[in-house]
Amino acid sequence: GESVGLHLPTLSVQEGDNSIINCAYSNSASDYFIWYKQESGKGPQFIIDIRSNMDKRQGQRVTVLLNKTVKHLSLQIAATQPGDSAVYFCAEKRVEAGNMLTFGGGTRLMVKP
Amino acid sequence: DSGVTQTPKHLITATGQRVTLRCSPRSGDLSVYWYQQSLDQGLQFLIQYYNGEERAKGNILERFSAQQFPDLHSELNLSSLELGDSALYFCASSARGLATGELFFGEGSRLTVL
Repeated sequence: GESVGLHLPTLSVQEGDNSIINCAYSNSASDYFIWYKQESGKGPQFIIDIRSNMDKRQGQRVTVLLNKTVKHLSLQIAATQPGDSAVYFCAEKRVEAGNMLTFGGGTRLMVKP
Repeated sequence: DSGVTQTPKHLITATGQRVTLRCSPRSGDLSVYWYQQSLDQGLQFLIQYYNGEERAKGNILERFSAQQFPDLHSELNLSSLELGDSALYFCASSARGLATGELFFGEGSRLTVL
C-alpha cells in the first residue's frame, strides 16, 4: 500500500513538537468522525474517533477536536515522533449507512529528527 | 497486523483484461468493505457486504463486481481493465454492531494496468 505518490498537503514538524492536522467536512448529518493513519506500504489504521455530540476526545498522545459550527475537525499529536510520519485521513460516518466511511483527502505528516 | 488478508499484493496486467482480488476478513467479522485508492482521488468507497449480502454501494463502476462467500471471504472482480483502474484496492472488515468508526484494513492489492 504505497501512498507516497498521493498528491497531498504536507505538514512538516520537528521531532518532539506538537502536530495539528486539520480537516473540513461537509456532512452535518455525520454521527462519527474518525482519524486514520496510513504508513508507507500499509493499509489505513484507526487512530481515534469522536461522536458528533462531543467536542473533544483524548487518546494516548492524540486529541481530536470537533467544531460543528464551522464543520472542522482536528487531530493533535503531542510530542511528535518519527514513527508518526504517515498520511493522516479524516473520515465521517452515518450510523444509518452502516459502518461505511467517507474519507477526506489526507495530509502527509513528516517528522524531522 | 490488522487480521485482514488481501491477495495478491501486487498485480500487473494489460488493458482489457480481467482480475480478481481476494480478501479474508478478521475472524468473526461479518462486514467487508472495498475501497479504491488512486493517486489523485484518495480513498473511495466501492461496496460493502454484510454476511453475504450487498449492504451499500459507492462509486463502483459497472465493470467491477464483488461478492461475499459463505465463509465470509470476499472477491472484487475488475473487468475490461483500463489504464485509469491502476490503483491500490483495500479491503476492510468490521464486527457486527460496531458503533464506532473503526474498520480494520488489509495491506491492499496494488493493481497496475499497462
